[in-house]
Amino acid sequence: RKEVEQDPGPFNVPEGATVAFNCTYSNSASQSFFWYRQDCRKEPKLLMSVYSSGNEDGRFTAQLNRASQYISLLIRDSKLSDSATYICVVARTGANNLFFGTGTRLTVIP
Amino acid sequence: GAVVSQHPSWVICKSGTSVKIECRSLDFQATTMFWYRQFPKQSLMLMATSNEGSKATYEQGVEKDKFLINHASLTLSTLTVTSAHPEDSSFYICSARDWDSYSYEQYFGPGTRLTVT
Repeated sequence: RKEVEQDPGPFNVPEGATVAFNCTYSNSASQSFFWYRQDCRKEPKLLMSVYSSGNEDGRFTAQLNRASQYISLLIRDSKLSDSATYICVVARTGANNLFFGTGTRLTVIP
Repeated sequence: GAVVSQHPSWVICKSGTSVKIECRSLDFQATTMFWYRQFPKQSLMLMATSNEGSKATYEQGVEKDKFLINHASLTLSTLTVTSAHPEDSSFYICSARDWDSYSYEQYFGPGTRLTVT
């Protein structure tokens, strides 16, 4: 079983729509959680960290459910510039490296 | 935030030649750096973990004699693709973790696009 599972999409949504991505992780020792954004032919960039209490940054809301071992990202009022691949990333105790989901491709349509 | 640079940003080489890619942490020390490879429309795949002053740890299926990693200082790791072949054409990305920080966050370099003809 993969360390991090994510629906690869693609998600095609109209401007202004609300879209949600989910991601599950398999190792209960997982400790830190992130959402990264990757534009085509570019490196991944941190979008936001995910905390147990949930966190919001403008139109973006991230939530963590430790009991069910899943992470979510909600994007409200989608903009054309939100088109990218969103990658769920997990860190766990005892491992130096991060574990990446496959990424979910989002295209916001005018 | 912390900055990681990579050089070159793109390279085209002939089959059989070797290519060296540099990864530098510009404003922090990185005892550990990571090398990833990404094929078109696929996810990042960790190739190896580079440790300053010691041997790199390679992921299963990655040939250590083909992908030579050297992490000679706290701010520089290099990846050398030896005897490159067309199937090695890919996007190579490094990342580093700021060990003075308590965060697990990794900072990515801008990537190196390798094309082997």
